[in-house]
Amino acid sequence: QSVLTQPPSVSGTPGQRVTISCSGSNSNIGSYIVHWYQQLPGTAPKLLIYSTSQRPSGVPDRFSGSKSGTSASLAIIGLQSEDEADYYCAAWDDRLNVRLFGTGTQVTVL
Amino acid sequence: EVQLVESGGGLVQAGGSLRLSCVGSGFTFSKNWMSWVRQAPGKGLEWVANIKQDGSEKYYVDSVKGRFTISRDNAKNSLYLQMNSVRAEDMGVYYCAREPGGYSPDFWGQGTLVTVSS
Repeated sequence: QSVLTQPPSVSGTPGQRVTISCSGSNSNIGSYIVHWYQQLPGTAPKLLIYSTSQRPSGVPDRFSGSKSGTSASLAIIGLQSEDEADYYCAAWDDRLNVRLFGTGTQVTVL
Repeated sequence: EVQLVESGGGLVQAGGSLRLSCVGSGFTFSKNWMSWVRQAPGKGLEWVANIKQDGSEKYYVDSVKGRFTISRDNAKNSLYLQMNSVRAEDMGVYYCAREPGGYSPDFWGQGTLVTVSS
């Protein structure tokens, strides 16, 4: 049911900047805050960014979030090998009355 | 330390029932929205349902409406998911998650696996 669209994969070399997009609509990203999650293989998701651009305590400042209109973005500035994981955006949708997760993006460090 | 521990997963026949449980600790359970999120094998995250602090509001994804029921017992710091008429597409890891202020989850349990046999 997800209508938050992310690229299936992105890759980069150590130290590079990579960006993950999350495209939605007025009923979700356009009206509500966005959260981002990191999921390492075989583990539960971990909150990476909340309220669109805030980092929880302990999350490195190389992760940053932003939003413009009906799209949100997660940037990893200075990619590191431990950043290899799946990343998901999330937002409430008031047309469907559900919380939507993005389709997910696998980040590979070359 | 915040902890969410799920249990109750296992093998269920298609059409059967299963009840998942989640116990929270390290935070004031009764002051938080709570939710269930699932992940089919090799797939992405799918939000299933959430419930307000006092249980007065509940929301479900369309695919489980009428089959699944979310509930809570604040005296036991526990969240539940009653799964009826289970289908093959319900198979996956089910995570219990805390939703502070009704916003997207900030903390997740380790998950419990539901396997559906035909």
